[in-house]
Amino acid sequence: GNSVTQMEGPVTLSEEAFLTINCTYTATGYPSLFWYVQYPGEGLQLLLKATKADDKGSNKGFEATYRKETTSFHLEKGSVQVSDSAVYFCALSESGGGSNYKLTFGKGTLLTVNP
Amino acid sequence: AAGVIQSPRHLIKEKRETATLKCYPIPRHDTVYWYQQGPGQDPQFLISFYEKMQSDKGSIPDRFSAQQFSDYHSELNMSSLELGDSALYFCASRSYKRGQETQYFGPGTRLLVL
Repeated sequence: GNSVTQMEGPVTLSEEAFLTINCTYTATGYPSLFWYVQYPGEGLQLLLKATKADDKGSNKGFEATYRKETTSFHLEKGSVQVSDSAVYFCALSESGGGSNYKLTFGKGTLLTVNP
Repeated sequence: AAGVIQSPRHLIKEKRETATLKCYPIPRHDTVYWYQQGPGQDPQFLISFYEKMQSDKGSIPDRFSAQQFSDYHSELNMSSLELGDSALYFCASRSYKRGQETQYFGPGTRLLVL
């Protein structure tokens, strides 16, 4: 079946530091890949996505590139801010047949950015 | 822009009681997904509906049932609640355009079973 593996947290950085959160996946076909962010006490927000190999998703200074050869979708940001503190989930969706594209999530990585 | 609406946002129930969670998808989205997120856990897929028909089923207990109505809103019915059902329940609706699909999540319903 499908699975997503994220680097374990928590990750603690100082403001303006470089961020990388690793994500690798296992899928039988050609999944779409996503990063969702969950701020404390809130729901899941789509951060960025990529739907095919070599696509780069980007939003709010975050980037991730769909690497089919390494089955990876690592999240990066050049300079993190305190407001980026949240839990980050890597996820994939793959058609289960018909209209079903349920998401499979990684375990999440807690990021804390200190001033 | 309109987002996914879930109600109630918070719910407290006792063991063995029942609960009904509601989800209103983004207009013109035809697919609804339900996920359960336990404390400190990743969201787990429960069930999905496409055009009012169940399209897939995940790790949903037999005590739970769900349906999608003619106006595309969905309800998750939970009976004989157990302490372990305490979790955040998300609904997501799906946008599918030009071969690309994206799920947009509601704010969640936080269920506490005492």
